[in-house]
Amino acid sequence: EAGVAQSPRYKIIEKRQSVAFWCNPISGHATLYWYQQILGQGPKLLIQFQNNGVVDDSQLPKDRFSAERLKGVDSTLKIQPAKLEDSAVYLCASSSSKGGRIGYTFGSGTRLTVV
Amino acid sequence: ELKVEQNPLFLSMQEGKNYTIYCNYSTTSDRLYWYRQDPGKSLESLFVLLSNGAVKQEGRLMASLDTKARLSTLHITAAVHDLSATYFCAVDYDMRFGAGTRLTVKP
Repeated sequence: EAGVAQSPRYKIIEKRQSVAFWCNPISGHATLYWYQQILGQGPKLLIQFQNNGVVDDSQLPKDRFSAERLKGVDSTLKIQPAKLEDSAVYLCASSSSKGGRIGYTFGSGTRLTVV
Repeated sequence: ELKVEQNPLFLSMQEGKNYTIYCNYSTTSDRLYWYRQDPGKSLESLFVLLSNGAVKQEGRLMASLDTKARLSTLHITAAVHDLSATYFCAVDYDMRFGAGTRLTVKP
């Protein structure tokens, strides 16, 4: 089966600019997650979707970050405006159910550099 | 707030040696995941532990879960260079990851 697709792979923007990331989960996976991984740290959950509904966005900085999952398939994560501390790898993961018995499948990530 | 602590954070091993990585978490959970991450790469699922006393093995790696102690271990047997990577545990509640253990296996 195809894996979790993310684009772009790399993005460099200036602070205060906007940026968007795209994720296409594994076909049929109802649960989708966005994580932020700062260099040298473990991934931090930003938002979790179940189909097209938000399950948990408690760690999403809502003043600048937004995410949507239209039609319960693809998802986009947006940052507006970006700050230097947003430099990180943004990972998308999907699972057939919450806490899937086979774990979560991660995409390759988008590496964001804010200058 | 759920906290997930891994130790050690850095581990340098000689090939052929054994060692254990520990993952402690602060609230009850019935499942725990171990992932591997190579530099510049995404995360690869290694083990899913679904109940107290669960033990899983794959090659030179063996993971176990003690939900009463809120502890999971990842044991490395006779380490080889190919195992060099960062290993993360993640607890299902809130999908919280530990900080990772950066393992280097030296010849």
